[in-house]
Amino acid sequence: GDSVTQTEGLVTLTEGLPVMLNCTYQTAYSTFLFWYVQHLNEAPKLLLKSSTDNKRTEHQGFHATLHKSSSSFHLQKSSAQLSDSALYYCALSVPLSGSWQLIFGSGTQLTVMP
Amino acid sequence: EAAVTQSPRSKVAVTGGKVTLSCHQTNNHDYMYWYRQDTGHGLRLIHYSYVADSTEKGDIPDGYKASRPSQENFSLILELASLSQTAVYFCASRDSYAEQFFGPGTRLTVL
Repeated sequence: GDSVTQTEGLVTLTEGLPVMLNCTYQTAYSTFLFWYVQHLNEAPKLLLKSSTDNKRTEHQGFHATLHKSSSSFHLQKSSAQLSDSALYYCALSVPLSGSWQLIFGSGTQLTVMP
Repeated sequence: EAAVTQSPRSKVAVTGGKVTLSCHQTNNHDYMYWYRQDTGHGLRLIHYSYVADSTEKGDIPDGYKASRPSQENFSLILELASLSQTAVYFCASRDSYAEQFFGPGTRLTVL
């Protein structure tokens, strides 16, 4: 079936170091992958949406590349900031009742320390 | 101007009681969703709706009902609240490009 796997439940980094959050997926459909970010006591908000295979998408300093060969859509940033501390969800769009549903991974809590 | 709003923002309920969570959107979206969020489980789909007066079961519908009286409003109903339903609940609406817009969430505690 369709699924999303985020292997790290908790990532702690020092400010200024690079960020990489892993996301792999399983689906038979040609579809989109998303990264949502949720700051403490706020709603999840869209951070990135995948483009075509092997094309990088960027937003707010974060970037991700969809690799269909490895079924991956890892989130990266060159230098972590304190304000990046948040819960990050990878999500897969799959067909549902003639439209699309999001299947979310279990989330990765990123904590950036000074 | 918040496009998806939820009420109440937090609620304490007693076991066996009835709870209604409300969601209102001004995005003019057809699709609306209810999720629950639990640590370690991420966001799981409870019910969704793609047209007024019709609702569909999501991945974890047991113990929940939903109601969509209009395009703008979508409610989640717990007829007999249980301890295991303590969680944060999010409502969302979806645009034609599959992006979902979430409400601020309702923190439900069942005692």
